[in-house]
Amino acid sequence: QVHLEESGGGVVRPGRSLRLSCAASGFSFSTYLMHWVRQAPGKGLEWVAFISYDGTTKYYADSVKGRFTISRDNSNNTLYLHINSLRGDDTAVYYCARQDSSSVWRNWGQGTLVTVSS
Amino acid sequence: DIQMTQSPSTLSASVGDRVTITCRASQTISNWLAWYQQKPGKAPRLLIYDASTLESGVPSRFSGSRSLTEFSLTISSLQPDDFATYYCQQYDNLWTFGQGTKVEVK
Repeated sequence: QVHLEESGGGVVRPGRSLRLSCAASGFSFSTYLMHWVRQAPGKGLEWVAFISYDGTTKYYADSVKGRFTISRDNSNNTLYLHINSLRGDDTAVYYCARQDSSSVWRNWGQGTLVTVSS
Repeated sequence: DIQMTQSPSTLSASVGDRVTITCRASQTISNWLAWYQQKPGKAPRLLIYDASTLESGVPSRFSGSRSLTEFSLTISSLQPDDFATYYCQQYDNLWTFGQGTKVEVK
C-alpha cells in the first residue's frame, strides 16, 4: 500500500531555515517522480517543486526559486524540501505527492504545517 | 507560465442539484488536466485525469469535459459527501492549480 508521510514542520522564526521530509513506503520510490505542493491557511493549492527519478532534474515555482531546494535519497526512500530564509508567506501545509507514469498524482501525504512567526 | 482560471470561487447548491465547475487555461494544454476534491484538513483526492477519465473508485456522477482551453467538472446529482473544495490542475507545462471552488450547502 502506497504511503507518504511528511515531517519536519513546526513554528520557525523568519529568516531561519527548515528541512521537510517525506518518507515513502509501499512502492519502489526510485521509479517515481515526486513533487512538493503547499497550501497557505484558507488558500488554494500551489505547486512548489519537482524532482526526477535520480534527482538530476528539478523544477521550481517562480515564487520559491532560489530559496527552496528539493532533493531525494532513494536508498532511504525519502524526499526532502530545504527552505532557506523563511518568510511569513511560506506559512502553509506542505504536501508531498507522487507522480505516476501517466503524469497523474494519485498519492499524497497528509501534509506538515510550517508556521513562520517571530 | 500557464495560468488556470477557475470559476466560480464559491457555489451554493442543494443535494440532488447538477453542478458544473469550469477551468480555463491561458493557452492550449491538450487534455492534460486533472480535477481534485479536497475536504478540510485532508489531502486532495484525484477525481478526473486527462480531462475526462474517471479515476478508479470515483462515483460515476462525476464527469469531466473539454472544449478547446475550457474544462468542466460536472457532478450530475450532488450528494452530501460532495460538499468540498474542488481544484483543477494542468500538467502540460510544469504544473498549475486553479484557485479552487468551494461547493457549499445552499
